Amino acid sequence: EAQVTQNPRYLITVTGKKLTVTCSQNMNHEYMSWYRQDPGLGLRQIYYSMNVEVTDKGDVPEGYKVSRKEKRNFPLILESPSPNQTSLYFCASSSSGGYGYTFGSGTRLTVV
Amino acid sequence: SQQGEEDPQALSIQEGENATMNCSYKTSINNLQWYRQNSGRGLVHLILIRSNEREKHSGRLRVTLDTSKKSSSLLITASRAADTASYFCATRRYAGGTSYGKLTFGQGTILTVHP
Repeated sequence: EAQVTQNPRYLITVTGKKLTVTCSQNMNHEYMSWYRQDPGLGLRQIYYSMNVEVTDKGDVPEGYKVSRKEKRNFPLILESPSPNQTSLYFCASSSSGGYGYTFGSGTRLTVV
Repeated sequence: SQQGEEDPQALSIQEGENATMNCSYKTSINNLQWYRQNSGRGLVHLILIRSNEREKHSGRLRVTLDTSKKSSSLLITASRAADTASYFCATRRYAGGTSYGKLTFGQGTILTVHP
């Protein structure tokens, strides 16, 4: 089944403890992206990647890192999480800019 | 910055009625997409319309695009209770450079369809 898989689905962590949210797609898509969704603010793009080793900042990249060493994987790294990074995170992929994104099921992150 | 703005923020209708949601955006686009999200779950891509298209249909969905007004509308005909969800428009900037990877979402319209 064609899908975008994020792990974990739920995560509670403490301020400053580094964490990684994994994202993997099995559709051989070039484009991958991370979004966060917050009440009243909608979905905001954190980082995106147009291919292996090609990444760029979205609208809210501060406090996040990404890497794209393989086409299928696009992990989101929070080096030193803070409470304002508590949010619902989505990974998504598409075959090119001319097609819609396939979204993962989301990761609900709470930083205390 | 939010590229797309949906209107209305919330819409409540009866089953069988049509639902119309509007989206406005600010910059030149390559395409505009509509997504649906059921409460707290992942978004599902519904339909994509390119900047050189004016209207597109998919099942009960009809999307229009007016690039001169920088606006789009999504019409769901003969709505069902199962259509209850949040609907988002998203715009992809014009091709060229790394900005082509950016897909910017609006705030969404919450649609409630009463049985």
